[in-house]
Amino acid sequence: DAGVIQSPRHEVTEMGQEVTLRCKPISGHDYLFWYRQTMMRGLELLIYFNNNVPIDDSGMPEDRFSAKMPNASFSTLKIQPSEPRDSAVYFCASSRGAPTGELFFGEGSRLTVL
Amino acid sequence: SQQGEEDPQALSIQEGENATMNCSYKTSINNLQWYRQNSGRGLVHLILIRSNEREKHSGRLRVTLDTSKKSSSLLITASRAADTASYFCATDGAGGTSYGKLTFGQGTILTVHP
Repeated sequence: DAGVIQSPRHEVTEMGQEVTLRCKPISGHDYLFWYRQTMMRGLELLIYFNNNVPIDDSGMPEDRFSAKMPNASFSTLKIQPSEPRDSAVYFCASSRGAPTGELFFGEGSRLTVL
Repeated sequence: SQQGEEDPQALSIQEGENATMNCSYKTSINNLQWYRQNSGRGLVHLILIRSNEREKHSGRLRVTLDTSKKSSSLLITASRAADTASYFCATDGAGGTSYGKLTFGQGTILTVHP
């Protein structure tokens, strides 16, 4: 089975540009998570979905961030406009049956905002 | 603040030696998990231990949990150079703001020298 697939793996953009990160969860998994990892703050949960419905978005830093899950096999995390402090590695993860069970992570999208 | 805090922050050992990493947490939990992250890659689940369990084994991994002290340890026996990675504990808060989601610690960087 393919794991969680994220794209792009690397993105370099300029401040003010829109960034869209994409994720395909493992088939059959009903939970999808977006995490952000930085040296300073570690791994932070941004938002998670259950059956395509956002359940907890309390970790989304501000209105510039938005996430959608239009169907069970696709999710996007959008940053508009991007700022240098958004530079981080963004991980998508999925799980089956519970939000606090075993998570399967993608390889991450490394974002650099200049 | 992070629910789980690992120590040491970094650990350097020789191949064949055992490696022990510790995790402390603040609130009650239902389960605690350990993950590994190789440089530039996503996190990989290693083991999950429930709050009513005291010890669990998986191959060369041994995890203990002491809920009275709110702490866990991960022991890797007979370490190999391939074990070089960052190791994270993750807790699901049984109450409070962490309820229903996994919170990761800052991690321990393990280096195993051949």
